[in-house]
Amino acid sequence: EAGVTQFPSHSVIEKGQTVTLRCDPISGHDNLYWYRRVMGKEIKFLLHFVKESKQDESGMPNNRFLAERTGGTYSTLKVQPAELEDSGVYFCASSPLQMLDTDTQYFGPGTRLTVL
Amino acid sequence: AQSVTQLGSHVSVSEGALVLLRCNYSSSVPPYLFWYVQYPNQGLQLLLKYTSAATLVKGINGFEAEFKKSETSFHLTKPSAHMSDAAEYFCAVGYSSASKIIFGSGTRLSIRP
Repeated sequence: EAGVTQFPSHSVIEKGQTVTLRCDPISGHDNLYWYRRVMGKEIKFLLHFVKESKQDESGMPNNRFLAERTGGTYSTLKVQPAELEDSGVYFCASSPLQMLDTDTQYFGPGTRLTVL
Repeated sequence: AQSVTQLGSHVSVSEGALVLLRCNYSSSVPPYLFWYVQYPNQGLQLLLKYTSAATLVKGINGFEAEFKKSETSFHLTKPSAHMSDAAEYFCAVGYSSASKIIFGSGTRLSIRP
């Protein structure tokens, strides 16, 4: 079974440009989460989709960030325009809708974003 | 608000020595507790998860953690360190199994030959 995949693995852009990150969750997982780790600090929650609906977007830093999950499958996270402080590693995770005690959020390898 | 504190951003032990990574949480209700590991150039992998079934939780690769409610702690241990254990370890907490996860700042574990 394929795990959570993220694209691209690295992105280097200049301040003011736009970047779109993509996450493909594990097939059949209705929960999808975005997190980011900035400058070696703690990993922080950004938002949570249940299927195509935003369940919790309390962690989105500002309106320069737009997350979508059309059709309830893959998700994109767009940063427009990018600022220097947006640099970091963006993680995506997914989990089944009906969570067993043995289930967890399964994380992708992350996208490392560098804004120059 | 929930928070997680990991004592020591960097821990170094000798191969074969005990590994102890400390984690304390603040929560008004018994949470879900996790330890995740990130090996170089890889994503986060679940080591173990506390779900109130047992206070001593055994995970993968010989790791275990003990939930102590009175101390609000969830320290991670391994009796004998192996070179392959070198990685960054994250303690985390959640209100429920499907809610957002709140992470500590991470502890980088180095193993000395």
